Amino acid sequence: DVKVTQSSRYLVKRTGEKVFLECVQDMDHENMFWYRQDPGLGLRLIYFSYDVKMKEKGDIPEGYSVSREKKERFSLILESASTNQTSMYLCASSLGNPGPYGYTFGSGTRLTVV
Amino acid sequence: AQSVTQPDIHITVSEGASLELRCNYSYGATPYLFWYVQSPGQGLQLLLKYFSGDTLVQGIKGFEAEFKRSQSSFNLRKPSVHWSDAAEYFCAVGQGAAGNKLTFGGGTRVLVKP
Repeated sequence: DVKVTQSSRYLVKRTGEKVFLECVQDMDHENMFWYRQDPGLGLRLIYFSYDVKMKEKGDIPEGYSVSREKKERFSLILESASTNQTSMYLCASSLGNPGPYGYTFGSGTRLTVV
Repeated sequence: AQSVTQPDIHITVSEGASLELRCNYSYGATPYLFWYVQSPGQGLQLLLKYFSGDTLVQGIKGFEAEFKRSQSSFNLRKPSVHWSDAAEYFCAVGQGAAGNKLTFGGGTRVLVKP
């Protein structure tokens, strides 16, 4: 089975800190995604990547950036963390077009910004 | 733009009773449709998916879903709920063109009464 691993389950950071969330997948998937999940809002796409060094903005990219230097790793960066970025962050990957294949998700990182 | 609506935020069902979760989507062509489940503190797990063909699809954990094009719906059902089915359920839609991503509904939280 494809495994998507997020490096931290829980993080607590201070306002203004630079925060790195790491995601690694082990099945050579081309596509990787970062979502945030908030109660009542479902999953909202932050950024995604279809190839190494390639990135595209999702629906809510403000305050975030990403890095994909290797195919298996996709990092989400909060340049200056704010309290409204307290959320559950989910990484996902997919093989080819995610339309027919769906996603494989990591277990999530619950980030609290104080 | 495609969108997904899950009208029920919470559903409470007795153990052994049947369950139906509603999902309506907005998309011009034939979509790819998915149901995911998220247990507390976990990532999302794929329950089932529809691409084409038979409009009644079977998934894991005894779930099934029916695609109704005329109603733009993809409702999830289970004949007899187990306590372990308490979770949050997400419907998602994907497009067919290369490079497209999944759009998720807001989720339905299912509580199971003994």
